[in-house]
Amino acid sequence: KAGVTQTPRYLIKTRGQQVTLSCSPISGHRSVSWYQQTPGQGLQFLFEYFSETQRNKGNFPGRFSGRQFSNSRSEMNVSTLELGDSALYLCASSLATANYNEQFFGPGTRLTVL
Amino acid sequence: DAKTTQPNSMESNEEEPVHLPCNHSTISGTDYIHWYRQLPSQGPEYVIHGLTSNVNNRMASLAIAEDRKSSTLILHRATLRDAAVYYCILRYSGGGADGLTFGKGTHLIIQP
Repeated sequence: KAGVTQTPRYLIKTRGQQVTLSCSPISGHRSVSWYQQTPGQGLQFLFEYFSETQRNKGNFPGRFSGRQFSNSRSEMNVSTLELGDSALYLCASSLATANYNEQFFGPGTRLTVL
Repeated sequence: DAKTTQPNSMESNEEEPVHLPCNHSTISGTDYIHWYRQLPSQGPEYVIHGLTSNVNNRMASLAIAEDRKSSTLILHRATLRDAAVYYCILRYSGGGADGLTFGKGTHLIIQP
């Protein structure tokens, strides 16, 4: 079974631009979560989608948004990029939304904002 | 999620057992204990989870204290591939889902 895939793997943008990252979960998984990883803040939860609905959201500004499609694929968007948005963005999928389900992480998208 | 406390780093030798401790004194009765690890340049990877009883799987064992205020992840025979940051995370088991709350974790160094 194929794992979680994320595209693109690397991205370079400039301040003020917007970016869209894509995540394809493991087949059959209906929950997709997004995380940001930086050296300073570590791994932080952005949001979780289940059945095309945002179920939970971390403490990030409204510039960070996401959506999930009927096939469970998900995208996250960051508008008006800032230097501090440079990070590794990780997507994780799980079978369902219950907290005892393990999450399977993708390799991440490395975003650099210049 | 309730808070966990882990040592910043630990060192062990290859082919020896490794015991990674985690303190979670404010754990509630409905919190699951999850362990994830992150190898260099990779996304986190699920290792094991449990509620009250000790758990074993192909990767590791999880020993949970009787009062559930602490737990220990046991790698029975460490290899160089086990060098990673290990995260102990509590997750509320009641309805819905919250994201994983990662702390600093324990940086495990394996010496050949």
